[in-house]
This record gives sequence, C-alpha cells and structure tokens, in this order.
Amino acid sequence: DVKVTQSSRYLVKRTGEKVFLECVQDMDHENMFWYRQDPGLGLRLIYFSYDVKMKEKGDIPEGYSVSREKKERFSLILESASTNQTSMYLCASSLRGLEETQYFGPGTRLLVL
Amino acid sequence: QKEVEQNSGPLSVPEGAIASLNCTYSDRGSQSFFWYRQYSGKSPELIMFIYSNGDKEDGRFTAQLNKASQYVSLLIRDSQPSDSATYLCLVNAGNNRKLIWGLGTSLAVNP
Repeated sequence: DVKVTQSSRYLVKRTGEKVFLECVQDMDHENMFWYRQDPGLGLRLIYFSYDVKMKEKGDIPEGYSVSREKKERFSLILESASTNQTSMYLCASSLRGLEETQYFGPGTRLLVL
Repeated sequence: QKEVEQNSGPLSVPEGAIASLNCTYSDRGSQSFFWYRQYSGKSPELIMFIYSNGDKEDGRFTAQLNKASQYVSLLIRDSQPSDSATYLCLVNAGNNRKLIWGLGTSLAVNP
C-alpha cells in the first residue's frame, strides 16, 4: 500500500516566518508534487520533482521553494509566509511518467496570521 | 476557454440512480485521463484512468473517452450516499506533457 505522509495536519504561522512543509513517500516513487487547494480555484501545482535534486516550477511557484535531497522526501519552503499563502497544501507522489497515478498525502492546512 | 472544464454542480441524484459526470478538455494531443474522488476534508484518491477511446468499466464505475469530441465521462451506477463527494478530472495534455486538473464536480446522492 502506497503511503504518503506529511509532517503536520494543521499549522499556524505568523506573517514573515519561514515555513517548512515536509512530505515523505515509502514507495520509491520518482515523481513528487506539491499542490495547494483553495475553494473555487481547485488544485494548483506549485512545484514538481522527477528525481533527486531535480525540480520544475508548476503554475504558481512564486513565494515558494522546494528541496529534494533524498528520493523519498520532498520539502516545500515558504521563505517569508504571507496571509495569501493560507491554504490546504497537498503532497503527491507517482512513478516516473505523467501518465502514472498520483497518490496523495493527507494534507496540511496552513493558516498564516 | 479553460483547458479542462467540469460542471461545478452540485449534481444531485437519488440513491440507486446513475450519476453522470462530464469533463471536456481543449488540448487535442491529450493522452491520458484520470478521475479522482475527494471527500470533504480528505485528499483526492484515484477512481479510474483511461487512455483509449471507448468505455472502461470497474465495478459500478465506467469511464468513457471520446477523443474526437474531447470529453471524458464518469458514470456511477447504483449510486450510494457514500458516493457523495467531489469528482476531479485530471488530463495529461500530451503536447507539452502538462497535467491539468479540472475544478471538480460536487455530487450528492440522496437516500
């Protein structure tokens, strides 16, 4: 059974703080994704990684960075959190190839005050 | 025109009826198509994927793909209240190898 875990279910941070969201998968997947999901806007891709140390910008990368030092771990970093980054953050992983099924973590609901 | 469009709903059907969910896409080079289900407060989970024109059945679910008309549908037979969720369409747009999500259709199955 594929398991994708995220470091926190709920997180409250202050404006300007540096925020780390961690995602770990245990199925040796090559691809990992970070999304945010907001009402009326759907799932939006922030960053995508297809291999260790490799990353591609998604649709809304501004204000975010990512790190993938190990295959199983993909971190999302908010360099200086802002209130408009309050959202549900979802991590997903898949085998190599965009035709592969994505498996999602439980999500982190982030509130930036 | 949005690249992947779904009717936001809510689509309301009585228990036992067939629910029909539709998704249209704009990139004719799109190659693979996915339906995910998302319960309120939960993460999306895959229901089905389809690559070829025609129907693909899995239990009570049938995915239908028509590349000429650029739509993919999901039929849920014998709908149950537990099918009440938002259904997301994901398209692998082949030309630039981009994954595009629809905004989802909310389905309510009434007992």
